Amino acid sequence: AQSVSQHNHHVILSEAASLELGCNYSYGGTVNLFWYVQYPGQHLQLLLKYFSGDPLVKGIKGFEAEFIKSKFSFNLRKPSVQWSDTAEYFCAVNARNSGTYKYIFGTGTRLKVLA
Amino acid sequence: DADVTQTPRNRITKTGKRIMLECSQTKGHDRMYWYRQDPGLGLRLIYYSFDVKDINKGEISDGYSVSRQAQAKFSLSLESAIPNQTALYFCATSDISGRAPDTQYFGPGTRLTVL
Repeated sequence: AQSVSQHNHHVILSEAASLELGCNYSYGGTVNLFWYVQYPGQHLQLLLKYFSGDPLVKGIKGFEAEFIKSKFSFNLRKPSVQWSDTAEYFCAVNARNSGTYKYIFGTGTRLKVLA
Repeated sequence: DADVTQTPRNRITKTGKRIMLECSQTKGHDRMYWYRQDPGLGLRLIYYSFDVKDINKGEISDGYSVSRQAQAKFSLSLESAIPNQTALYFCATSDISGRAPDTQYFGPGTRLTVL
């Protein structure tokens, strides 16, 4: 079955530390890839997306992600986190193959950044 | 994001009761979705609708039904609520056109507790 794996469930970092959150998916067809973020008390919102082209995509607030097709991965990175990055981060895969539509989310990673 | 609203925001009910959660959007999107979020499981798709006449089951549709009353309205019903339907429910919309097709725009969520 198709799935999205986020290996880090809880991450605690100090401000200015570098961040990398892993995301791996199992789906053999063409996919669109997303990272969503949920800040405390706010709605889930799009952080960045990959559809095609340059596999290194940049999102809001200095986040970036790299699509590595051979590894079925779409890891999220930020060189220097801030206290305001404390949130829950979700990787998601959207795919449509032979009429079957999928929108699958990972289980999420809770990031806490210490001031 | 006030473009997608959900009512009620919180609901406590008893086993066996019928419950309806409502979602309205002003984004003009054709596609609407219902997800549930459980701790450690991420978001899982319950139902989705690509237009008023199109309703599709997601990965966990058992025990749920939906109605797409208009382009802007998509309601989720629990015909006979059970305790394991206690969860946070999100409505979302998306647009097939533009530079980011199927980016999900989420409502604020409805926290449902079934006793």
